[in-house]
Formats: sequence, structure tokens, C-alpha cells
Amino acid sequence: DVKVTQSSRYLVKRTGEKVFLECVQDMDHENMFWYRQDPGLGLRLIYFSYDVKMKEKGDIPEGYSVSREKKERFSLILESASTNQTSMYLCASSFPPAREADPLTDTQYFGPGTRLTVL
Amino acid sequence: RKEVEQDPGPFNVPEGATVAFNCTYSNSASQSFFWYRQDCRKEPKLLMSVYSSGNEDGRFTAQLNRASQYISLLIRDSKLSDSATYLCVVNTDSNYQLIWGAGTKLIIKP
Repeated sequence: DVKVTQSSRYLVKRTGEKVFLECVQDMDHENMFWYRQDPGLGLRLIYFSYDVKMKEKGDIPEGYSVSREKKERFSLILESASTNQTSMYLCASSFPPAREADPLTDTQYFGPGTRLTVL
Repeated sequence: RKEVEQDPGPFNVPEGATVAFNCTYSNSASQSFFWYRQDCRKEPKLLMSVYSSGNEDGRFTAQLNRASQYISLLIRDSKLSDSATYLCVVNTDSNYQLIWGAGTKLIIKP
């Protein structure tokens, strides 16, 4: 079974603190993703990475950065946490897309999520 | 207009009934389609991929209508354990990103 783990299930931080969220996957997936999920908005992509040391901005990268030093690990960093970053953060991983659309390679596997509260 | 739209619900359905909900997408170039299931306070998990010819997995049937740009999910003989939020997901151009709907909440009542 694919396993994606996240460093914390619940986290409470203060405004202005630097926050690290870590994600590890054990399936040798090339792609890794960080999303946030807020009520009524669905999952929004923050950053993704398709290889070690590679990163691409998603839809809402402002206020976040990422690090991918090893294939299995993808970290999300909040340089200076703000209250509007209170959210559920979900990490996911997948294989690279096939040449043609292929549901099997497109499938993303998620970690259990980190519920971050910024006070 | 959102790229992927779903009725947020909740759909309140008696156990044993059949329930169906749709999801519309705006990009006609979309190529891959999925339904994910998310239980309360849990992560999304793949329920089923949606193929052009439609596909069935036990009590679940997924259909794709490219002309009208929507996918549907039908659940027959619903169980209490089917209560969850169902997320519609679309991939365009085989890139790395999936576009997620906000989800439809389903509540099965005894």
C-alpha cells in the first residue's frame, strides 16, 4: 500500500512564526503536491514538485515556500504565519503523467492532513 | 465560473435508495476524470476513475458526457457507510495538476 505521512495532525502557531510541514512518501513517486483545503473552496494547489530540487507554483503560492532535497520528502514552509493561513494542509504524491492521459498515473495519494491554526 | 463545479449538498438519502450527482467542468480539453471520496476529518481517497465508455464498480457507476461536459456518479442500494463528501477531479492536458471540485456532501440515513 502507498503510504504518505505528514509530520503533525494538529498544529497551533502564533502569527509571525515560521512553520515547517513535512511530508514523506514511500512509493518512489516523482511528483509531490501541497494543497490547502478550506470549507466551500475545495482543494487548492500551493506548490508541487516533479523531481528532486524542482518546484513549481500552484494556484496560491503566496506566503509559502517548499523544499525537496530528497525524492521521498517534500516540505512546506510558512515563512511568517498569518491567521489567514489557518487551514487543513494536505500532501499528496503520484507518478509522473503518462504520454497520454492515464488515470492510473494521474491518481494522487494523500497523507492524513495537518490542521494548522494560526493565532 | 469555476473550472469544476459541484452541488455542495447535502444530499440526505434513506438507506437503500439510489442517489446520483453530477459535476460540470469548463475546459473541453480535459482528459482524465475521477471521483474521490473524503470522510469527515480524513484525507481524500480515490473512489474511481471515469472512463469515456462509463464504468461500474459494484454499486457505483460513473459516466462521462463530453458533449455537455459533465461527469456523474450513481450509487445504488446506498449504505450508511457511503456517507461522505464526494470530490470531482479533472486533469487537463496530462500535466501535473488536478483541478478539484469543492465536493458534494452525502448523508445516508437509516
